[in-house]
Amino acid sequence: KQEVTQIPAALSVPEGENLVLNCSFTDSAIYNLQWFRQDPGKGLTSLLLIQSSQREQTSGRLNASLDKSSGRSTLYIAASQPGDSATYLCAPRAGNMLTFGGGTRLMVKP
Amino acid sequence: ETGVTQTPRHLVMGMTNKKSLKCEQHLGHNAMYWYKQSAKKPLELMFVYNFKEQTENNSVPSRFSPECPNSSHLFLHLHTLQPEDSALYLCASSQGVAGNTDTQYFGPGTRLTVL
Repeated sequence: KQEVTQIPAALSVPEGENLVLNCSFTDSAIYNLQWFRQDPGKGLTSLLLIQSSQREQTSGRLNASLDKSSGRSTLYIAASQPGDSATYLCAPRAGNMLTFGGGTRLMVKP
Repeated sequence: ETGVTQTPRHLVMGMTNKKSLKCEQHLGHNAMYWYKQSAKKPLELMFVYNFKEQTENNSVPSRFSPECPNSSHLFLHLHTLQPEDSALYLCASSQGVAGNTDTQYFGPGTRLTVL
């Protein structure tokens, strides 16, 4: 059974800092891995999808990397802004199933 | 804005009530999903439908009964729930094709409180 761990669980930083959020998973037999953002009480917004054959994906200030063999992914956020404050979730996919980590709750202070 | 809608957004029900959650996707997808997000627990997959057929039931109690009449609509029928079933219920959809590019898109969720 896939288990997903996200570290840190919570993070508070001043505006402008570069951040790294970590995700580890136990079963490397995955099709892809998605990073999501969730605002309080809201649904999930897909940020990036990395295919199992890829090493990284970039979208604006976000860069996600994947090391499938070691069961690790990182989400790098450059020049953080208060609007980035949210919970960030990683979810590797095997078959039809996404397995979610507990998330990293990010607060970016002005 | 999301192409996946959910109604109602909030629901309060007693343990003896019967209610239904509705999800609709406007993305032309073939797969739909129900997830449960409880306080302080990771998001958990409940059910998966592909082309209206249920392909996954993640050991969900029978008091939760899904229905998928077509590829655009998904329901979750609720009866005799327990207070611990209070959670945010999220619906998602995807193309449903095999392979490594399938992306899931989520609705805003229904916040359910069971009294």
